[in-house]
Amino acid sequence: QVQLQESGPGMVKPSETLSLSCRVSGESIGDSVFYWGWIRQPPGKGLEWIASINKSGSTYYNPSLKSRVTLSVDTSKDQFSLTLTSVTAADTAVYYCARLTIFAVIRIWGQGALVTVSS
Amino acid sequence: QSVLTQPPSASGTPGQRVIISCSGRSSDLGTNTVNWYQQFPGTAPKLLIYSNSQRPSGVPDRFSGSKSGTTASLAINGLQSEDEADYYCSTWDDDLLGVFGGGTKLTVL
Repeated sequence: QVQLQESGPGMVKPSETLSLSCRVSGESIGDSVFYWGWIRQPPGKGLEWIASINKSGSTYYNPSLKSRVTLSVDTSKDQFSLTLTSVTAADTAVYYCARLTIFAVIRIWGQGALVTVSS
Repeated sequence: QSVLTQPPSASGTPGQRVIISCSGRSSDLGTNTVNWYQQFPGTAPKLLIYSNSQRPSGVPDRFSGSKSGTTASLAINGLQSEDEADYYCSTWDDDLLGVFGGGTKLTVL
């Protein structure tokens, strides 16, 4: 059974960098045909697609966040990571990592990690 | 502002049929298939419908999906109290990036 688990600080100061990791269990990223991505949800609001990456490192970024977002994958650790720079209060959200197909079908979600941007 | 447009709310009484719409553009919904997710408060979304009308194992057949042109629909037949949740449509665009609708809050009266 494939499971995803987000980890990272629950609070980040404005203008600093948000870093989250997602550990994959039950499947090897290096052997996987799937893509791996991040979706966020501000409190009380809808879902926003951030970016996705495959095992080869090909990335697809939301244009509205592209200048601040970096995704990376570490197949040796079965882990992929999100970095978001210059955060503001608007980046406060629950961040979900996910396993998805090329057709944006997400069957596997992490439980979500709340990140609050506050001084 | 979400790429896909959904009504912010919908409602129905137990046993009724409810339809939630999702509209997009030729570059996303007009070209690609739609997926639907169900989300309860405090939990991660759950895949409800994929590839326009396919149900994952375990999803009741009360839920069905369809798509025509740049508009997709999620239908819930025989509405039940446990269907009260948020529903999101999703597809991908020309840049292989996923996009979501703004979500529809379904209330069972």
